[in-house]
Amino acid sequence: QQQVKQSPQSLIVQKGGISIINCAYENTAFDYFPWYQQFPGKGPALLIAIRPDVSEKKEGRFTISFNKSAKQFSLHIMDSQPGDSATYFCAASKVTSGTYKYIFGTGTRLKVLA
Amino acid sequence: KAGVTQTPRYLIKTRGQQVTLSCSPISGHRSVSWYQQTPGQGLQFLFEYFSETQRNKGNFPGRFSGRQFSNSRSEMNVSTLELGDSALYLCASSGGTGLGVLANEKLFFGSGTQLSVL
Repeated sequence: QQQVKQSPQSLIVQKGGISIINCAYENTAFDYFPWYQQFPGKGPALLIAIRPDVSEKKEGRFTISFNKSAKQFSLHIMDSQPGDSATYFCAASKVTSGTYKYIFGTGTRLKVLA
Repeated sequence: KAGVTQTPRYLIKTRGQQVTLSCSPISGHRSVSWYQQTPGQGLQFLFEYFSETQRNKGNFPGRFSGRQFSNSRSEMNVSTLELGDSALYLCASSGGTGLGVLANEKLFFGSGTQLSVL
């Protein structure tokens, strides 16, 4: 019930292409779904996040699509650039519970070819 | 504002030893959480502290412990180290009010401590 399943494990995309990473969760109590981006040697950094009351959120080239009934959400990176090459983690949490236990996916290593 | 600072950056220990990792959160942040990152397992939640109190704990053995000081700095301790404890240990801080305000829920991660157990 606490798992967040992330796919694919790795992804290679041509420059200018669309990168899509998918996540699925089980616990319907989760109310916050962030995506984190991690470069080698660095800690993860928040990229974009969504609450379950909206189906899509867009920030620049990054879009989260959220399907509450299917308990799935995905990250779309439009016009992918070599600088986007990093590991991406989806996560889920119930922030309104007052605790900060984030359940992370296992990560997707994205490589964007120049 | 200075970011989250973790020390040391690298550690090499042998089995059976114990280790203490340190984390200084962003100024004003009261919540500090710890995660273990290993290839294939992603980030796994260890525990979270808020105002010196442990609010939540992950599914790790009792060899993993932590504490938070009055200045919000936190330490994590692992006793009787095992080979499987080799990992990147990440600390994250946040406003931590738990009021559902997204600005407070954002986690700011440090660069981590890479622990190698030989």
